[in-house]
Amino acid sequence: DQQVKQNSPSLSVQEGRISILNCDYTNSMFDYFLWYKKYPAEGPTFLISISSIKDKNEDGRFTVFLNKSAKHLSLHIVPSQPGDSAVYFCAASVGQGGSEKLVFGKGTKLTVNP
Amino acid sequence: NAGVTQTPKFQVLKTGQSMTLQCAQDMNHEYMSWYRQDPGMGLRLIHYSVGAGITDQGEVPNGYNVSRSTTEDFPLRLLSAAPSQTSVYFCASTPPGQNTEAFFGQGTRLTVV
Repeated sequence: DQQVKQNSPSLSVQEGRISILNCDYTNSMFDYFLWYKKYPAEGPTFLISISSIKDKNEDGRFTVFLNKSAKHLSLHIVPSQPGDSAVYFCAASVGQGGSEKLVFGKGTKLTVNP
Repeated sequence: NAGVTQTPKFQVLKTGQSMTLQCAQDMNHEYMSWYRQDPGMGLRLIHYSVGAGITDQGEVPNGYNVSRSTTEDFPLRLLSAAPSQTSVYFCASTPPGQNTEAFFGQGTRLTVV
């Protein structure tokens, strides 16, 4: 049973437009959510996170929104750039919010076209 | 700082062979974890450690052993490799406390034939 779901395997957007990546979760005990970006043949790199006590967190071009009642979060990238092309993973922390035990979605491959 | 260093980057094993994937971090993080990533899948937790001498199982621990004798090192051992263990393995380290992110190594691509 998948606890973190990214239902869109891929997304293609034009440079300069908004990219919206979605993530749903089923475990109401999750209290910390993270987005990671992954290029081929590299390890995941941390992008942005949000605590369950917040509904929005912004860092430059990246904003994460959390809707706890819907168990849904989304990552907005504005404006999208070709260098943003990568696989994006949504992850959730179990229990006390430490990231030593992350549960990952399957990822969404974002392609930003020039 | 090197961050999280994994060796080797690539490895081919025969079924039944054993090997150890090495992971070292120089950030003095208390927490370390091992994940595997299979095609079309997200990362799945194999084992993790919240400090030297303390380890615990994750979602997919079968076929793997770990130990944590120092803060810096967290090796992953395959005692008898199976084709089902063909995967990309990622090691991560995390500062202790709430709301901290995990830092990942570059991965080890393992093929078991």
